[in-house]
Amino acid sequence: DAGVIQSPRHEVTEMGQEVTLRCKPISGHDYLFWYRQTMMRGLELLIYFNNNVPIDDSGMPEDRFSAKMPNASFSTLKIQPSEPRDSAVYFCASSLDLGQGKSSYNEQFFGPGTRLTVL
Amino acid sequence: LAKTTQPISMDSYEGQEVNITCSHNNIATNDYITWYQQFPSQGPRFIIQGYKTKVTNEVASLFIPADRKSSTLSLPRVSLSDTAVYYCLVGDLDSNYQLIWGAGTKLIIKP
Repeated sequence: DAGVIQSPRHEVTEMGQEVTLRCKPISGHDYLFWYRQTMMRGLELLIYFNNNVPIDDSGMPEDRFSAKMPNASFSTLKIQPSEPRDSAVYFCASSLDLGQGKSSYNEQFFGPGTRLTVL
Repeated sequence: LAKTTQPISMDSYEGQEVNITCSHNNIATNDYITWYQQFPSQGPRFIIQGYKTKVTNEVASLFIPADRKSSTLSLPRVSLSDTAVYYCLVGDLDSNYQLIWGAGTKLIIKP
């Protein structure tokens, strides 16, 4: 398997523009997570999905952020409008469902990240 | 959610054994301890997970005392490529996705 795939790897945009980040989880994984990492705040969980359904979005900073998972193999994180303080590395991760005995460990597999710069 | 405390940074030399200790005084009965490794410009990577006593895999060992209020990640015979940030996380496997990622420990291996 190619692992978790994210695109683009780098994004530079201007304040006020819409930004869409994309993620393809590992095939067969039941959970998908979106994280944001900055020097100041470290790694923060924004939202996670189970079987394409959003379970917890309490980490989403504000209404400018939205995430969707239309099917098991694709998710997007959208920022509209973007602001300079949104500049960060955004990671997508996926994992198996422990509850169904698919995995012995709660291991999350992270993608390479998207480095977002909002000017 | 259990909060963890670990050293901000550590230095060591190639070939040495490195032990990184994490404190988690308010760990709950159902909580597991998980360690991740993150290289620059990459996402974190799972290293090891345990509940009590000792767990060993091909990469590291995890030592957990009986009171479980701390844990130690042991990396045997480190190399330069082990230079990374190491995160200690504590959480219930059923709700383990709501994890608090601290600053981690920046480990620098010198030749």
